[in-house]
Amino acid sequence: EDQVTQSPEALRLQEGESSSLNCSYTVSGLRGLFWYRQDPGKGPEFLFTLYSAGEEKEKERLKATLTKKESFLHITAPKPEDSATYLCAVQAKRSDTDKLIFGTGTRLQVFP
Amino acid sequence: NAGVTQTPKFRVLKTGQSMTLLCAQDMNHEYMYWYRQDPGMGLRLIHYSVGEGTTAKGEVPDGYNVSRLKKQNFLLGLESAAPSQTSVYFCASSSRALKRTQYFGPGTRLTVL
Repeated sequence: EDQVTQSPEALRLQEGESSSLNCSYTVSGLRGLFWYRQDPGKGPEFLFTLYSAGEEKEKERLKATLTKKESFLHITAPKPEDSATYLCAVQAKRSDTDKLIFGTGTRLQVFP
Repeated sequence: NAGVTQTPKFRVLKTGQSMTLLCAQDMNHEYMYWYRQDPGMGLRLIHYSVGEGTTAKGEVPDGYNVSRLKKQNFLLGLESAAPSQTSVYFCASSSRALKRTQYFGPGTRLTVL
């Protein structure tokens, strides 16, 4: 069964304190791993797609990496505006519908 | 370019009432999806559509129906609402041309009393 587990559930950081969020997955043939950001009361906002182990992508203070079993979202010198819930999702190769399996997210709070 | 829009934003229903949620996208995407998001459960797929006139069941389809009469619109219906359907509903769309990335709407918060 395809499954995504994110940890920690919640993370509190001081502004400037770098850290990483983890996304562990099991899927029979990975087509893509997706990271989204979700602000309270809003829909998920697309951040990155990773397709193969070893791949990395960056956007401002965020960097996503991928191995065969997990992905990390590294946050370097975070700012309060990075506070949000970060969602990870996987898409299986066998899916002909782009179906995503989501984790339950990591709620990040960055304090000044 | 509005992306994915949803109406209404909020709704309160009584048990047994019916309603329709509307999703519209202006990106000419082939695929459209309805998800529900509940605390501690993550986003779960209700129904999806791979093209105009076609729909299929997702992970949690019971109690919901959908229709896609036009490529840009995807409707989610609740025929007889139940308190277990209290949730936040998100619509998303994707395209093969855009590497299948799903883009989400702002959500509809539904409360069933």
